[in-house]
Amino acid sequence: GENVEQHPSTLSVQEGDSAVIKCTYSDSASNYFPWYKQELGKGPQLIIDIRSNVGEKKDQRIAVTLNKTAKHFSLHITETQPEDSAVYFCAASLMEYGNKLVFGAGTILRVKS
Amino acid sequence: NAGVTQTPKFQVLKTGQSMTLQCAQDMNHNSMYWYRQDPGMGLRLIYYSASEGTTDKGEVPNGYNVSRLNKREFSLRLESAAPSQTSVYFCASSLTRGAYEQYFGPGTRLTVT
Repeated sequence: GENVEQHPSTLSVQEGDSAVIKCTYSDSASNYFPWYKQELGKGPQLIIDIRSNVGEKKDQRIAVTLNKTAKHFSLHITETQPEDSAVYFCAASLMEYGNKLVFGAGTILRVKS
Repeated sequence: NAGVTQTPKFQVLKTGQSMTLQCAQDMNHNSMYWYRQDPGMGLRLIYYSASEGTTDKGEVPNGYNVSRLNKREFSLRLESAAPSQTSVYFCASSLTRGAYEQYFGPGTRLTVT
């Protein structure tokens, strides 16, 4: 089955700097890669996703890149703000088999002001 | 529009006791999911229901049962709780199968002593 590894486990950046979180997946058939943000005491919330027919996707300060050959994808957050502090999870799934997401272990992002 | 609601928010059980976690969504979604979240392990799928009347096992189904009571409600039952089931449980829903955003509830923190 699918296995998703996520790095780093914790990341501290200064406000205004960029943050990058990386994930690798094992199943080359996976074709859907969402990123979720979880704030303290809440459930995860989707922030951006990418399908395997696209190499990069941007939404304001966040972007995701996908390298299908290397089987890895990354989340990029620019101009970080204190409200970006949260736990971020990557996930992978095969769209045709429903939305059975396999999640990475998570990255705790701390933005210092 | 409450989204996804879960009850209870907190629960303490003794080993061997049983309980049912309740989940309801008011977004007219077809698919619903149960996850558990453990430190350093991300979210792992326990069971999911692609549509009303169907349920299927996820990654870690042992020790759990589910019921899709109707389109709105999806419950998770622990028949004989074990300390290894101490975790935070999240229910989620999505419009349907496939690459659609999953909306998560606020979670239930369960401790089994």
